[in-house]
Amino acid sequence: SQQGEEDPQALSIQEGENATMNCSYKTSINNLQWYRQNSGRGLVHLILIRSNEREKHSGRLRVTLDTSKKSSSLLITASRAADTASYFCATATGTASKLTFGTGTRLQVTL
Amino acid sequence: NAGVTQTPKFQVLKTGQSMTLQCAQDMNHNSMYWYRQDPGMGLRLIYYSASEGTTDKGEVPNGYNVSRLNKREFSLRLESAAPSQTSVYFCASAGGQGFSPLHFGNGTRLTVT
Repeated sequence: SQQGEEDPQALSIQEGENATMNCSYKTSINNLQWYRQNSGRGLVHLILIRSNEREKHSGRLRVTLDTSKKSSSLLITASRAADTASYFCATATGTASKLTFGTGTRLQVTL
Repeated sequence: NAGVTQTPKFQVLKTGQSMTLQCAQDMNHNSMYWYRQDPGMGLRLIYYSASEGTTDKGEVPNGYNVSRLNKREFSLRLESAAPSQTSVYFCASAGGQGFSPLHFGNGTRLTVT
């Protein structure tokens, strides 16, 4: 079963707008990571937030983590057409060095 | 610097045929992983290798075997392919301790008829 579930499944916005996608998970985590996948390509790591952190920034990306609600959000500000991709959250749990991925949000940014 | 390289990029098999998916990384990473990606299912972990010489089952290991040939290479074998194994397969690697970010290859698109 999937640990993370992204919401919404699909999002369509215009260039310049902000995009927000959410991730909910079921069990306690060590960290949560966000990845981007362009069509036909492998996933690319965007940002990692540890369980004792509440917010993290990287360029136009802002990630928040609420461990009490078992949820995270990814905000992309001033979106560009090049941001069109699928975005996945992944959770690191337990002692084994493996990640569990959610089902992803498909983001479409139009000109 | 190639990162994670997967071969082949595409493959079509008939039910019952066998094949090996190859993966190599040049980042001196300890951990390597095989995931499959199906529409609406996200990525599911098949097998992983936390270090050279060790392998462990993931979420969906049935029908697959793996070999960690050396630190660089981690192969995935389908002994008797089934249509349910039609999927896109991704290899990934990670360095460092604990839950480091994964570096992915560009995938192998496998169709089993």
